[in-house]
Amino acid sequence: AQSVTQLGSHVSVSEGALVLLRCNYSSSVPPYLFWYVQYPNQGLQLLLKYTSAATLVKGINGFEAEFKKSETSFHLTKPSAHMSDAAEYFCAVSGETGGTSYGKLTFGQGTILTVHP
Amino acid sequence: NAGVTQTPKFRILKIGQSMTLQCAQDMNHNYMYWYRQDPGMGLKLIYYSVGAGITDKGEVPNGYNVSRSTTEDFPLRLELAAPSQTSVYFCASSYSAADYTGELFFGEGSRLTVL
Repeated sequence: AQSVTQLGSHVSVSEGALVLLRCNYSSSVPPYLFWYVQYPNQGLQLLLKYTSAATLVKGINGFEAEFKKSETSFHLTKPSAHMSDAAEYFCAVSGETGGTSYGKLTFGQGTILTVHP
Repeated sequence: NAGVTQTPKFRILKIGQSMTLQCAQDMNHNYMYWYRQDPGMGLKLIYYSVGAGITDKGEVPNGYNVSRSTTEDFPLRLELAAPSQTSVYFCASSYSAADYTGELFFGEGSRLTVL
């Protein structure tokens, strides 16, 4: 079984400050890990994904995440927050392969990012 | 460039009514999914399909049914709507290639209220 825990349901930063959104996972097989972003009244869109290549993954809009197997973590960072980054962020894991379980994602609870001027 | 299209975007139901949420994708994806999103709970998988004619239950299937007669369409039916089904519903699809990683492509969601 796999699970995802996002630490902090709400994170508030000032514009220009570092953004750090935390994600820890558990998986019985080597995982694929994802960060999705959801802007108000919209669907989820992919920010970045880890697929067992480089452990530091760069995504869209200046975000990046580092896969740390020893810590079972996949934290999302951005050096300088922008007002347009205000949204809800979801970490997700897919580690099951084969059969009809193939490709299902397990999502964390979400973290709402607020950016203050 | 449609991607995943969901209809309706909003709907209000009375308790006991039935309805179908429509989902269509034009990316020739074999895999399709229905999730529900509740505040602070993330997304929970309701049903999924790995191809036309093949469906399976997810984490929270009770009160819902699905069918998959074509690759493109994956409707979700609510029978006897209950207030607990008030939620935002997302349809998603994904690839089935050998190098598949699980990336999902989402529709914009259907907001359902049961009163």
